[in-house]
Amino acid sequence: QMQLQESGPGLLRPSETLSLSCSVAGASLGRFHWGWLRQPPGKGLEWIGHIYTSGVTNYHVSLKTRATISLGTSKNHLSLKLKSVTSADTAVYFCARLYSGYQAEYFHPWGPGTLVVVSS
Amino acid sequence: QSVLTQAPSVSGAPGQSVTISCSGSSSNIGVNTVTWYHHLPGEAPKLLMYTNTQRPSGVPDRFSGSKSGTSASLTITGLQSEDEGDYYCAAWDDGLSGPVFGGGTKVTVL
Repeated sequence: QMQLQESGPGLLRPSETLSLSCSVAGASLGRFHWGWLRQPPGKGLEWIGHIYTSGVTNYHVSLKTRATISLGTSKNHLSLKLKSVTSADTAVYFCARLYSGYQAEYFHPWGPGTLVVVSS
Repeated sequence: QSVLTQAPSVSGAPGQSVTISCSGSSSNIGVNTVTWYHHLPGEAPKLLMYTNTQRPSGVPDRFSGSKSGTSASLTITGLQSEDEGDYYCAAWDDGLSGPVFGGGTKVTVL
């Protein structure tokens, strides 16, 4: 059974670069598509971006210049980097497997999320 | 502000039925399928419904989904206390080349 677990710095200062990792157990990273999403405090879920098995990435237009999703250098780790963070990037960040098929695109399963706070 | 529109909250007594609505547009729900997620704070969001009406393995048949035009709905029949939490609709948006979500509906079992 596929299991995902996010990890990150917890707290960082404005203008720094956020680096998050998602550890995947029970599946080979290169066989599936993956995504990153987030939930700001008191708000709903937001898509950040995703990476296909081909290596092609798509990002939300509002984050396209700052976000980079890649397969991590460590085995079975997915990475998200977000440059020049501000307080608006404070959120719980989730990684998830992206299922993309005919008439079906959805995220399943998800990790439990990791809280990132941006504060000076 | 979320691209898809959901009511902020809905409630019902145990055993009753509740329906959660989700409104979108011609670039998302109008042309793509709808997904529903159930989320309890502090936990991983869980896939509840995909391709408008399909339940993943393990999701009880008390949950049903439908879609018409640019709107969709999720109905929970025979409400149980374990059904509490936040429910999010989502659909791929052709303009974004990615998914858009509703703001979430909080279900409370009275």
